[in-house]
Amino acid sequence: ETGVTQSPTHLIKTRGQQVTLRCSSQSGHNTVSWYQQALGQGPQFIFQYYREEENGRGNFPPRFSGLQFPNYSSELNVNALELDDSALYLCASSLGGRTEETQYFGPGTRLLVL
Amino acid sequence: DAKTTQPPSMDCAEGRAANLPCNHSTISGNEYVYWYRQIHSQGPQYIIHGLKNNETNEMASLIITEDRKSSTLILPHATLRDTAVYYCIVRSDSGYALNFGKGTSLLVTP
Repeated sequence: ETGVTQSPTHLIKTRGQQVTLRCSSQSGHNTVSWYQQALGQGPQFIFQYYREEENGRGNFPPRFSGLQFPNYSSELNVNALELDDSALYLCASSLGGRTEETQYFGPGTRLLVL
Repeated sequence: DAKTTQPPSMDCAEGRAANLPCNHSTISGNEYVYWYRQIHSQGPQYIIHGLKNNETNEMASLIITEDRKSSTLILPHATLRDTAVYYCIVRSDSGYALNFGKGTSLLVTP
């Protein structure tokens, strides 16, 4: 157990809808990173939040957005859902910004877009 | 961050040591080698990481060659619960993203 929690565990949406996924970081951690893992692939980096600001972003369109709150929990929002957005969404928490530190993952949210 | 190359799959008998190789020939001086594993449909689990020296913890040992171009993750006594996909990741000390490849699917058999 890493202490990183995610909600909900599973979610079904239809194309065009919007979704919000939530992540609570491990106690003491101020950085949250989000990843998307399609079936049969390794996780792909979406973005990272450090002290409530976006600290880096992978190759994902603007309809993927996020927030980090003062308690360092985080949300991932995806607008205008597409079928290809069906995936396991993972968040990872860590201590620090861009310095070398270990990221600890939550169990993920499985999103199915119909 | 440097790219890594891992075999797509490996088998290991229960109780034996599992040695998982990783090539990272373009690694630079400030890049760390990280290992994670992912059991089916769960979040990746951190195993170990290192820069230059060999490292050992309660889960595994990490052996890094002197030129740092390759490394080996060793699970000393594999159990059925070690069946998972193992990812070798090279990451700079200023890199915020973990760049997962396809990893090695390790099957531990009775």
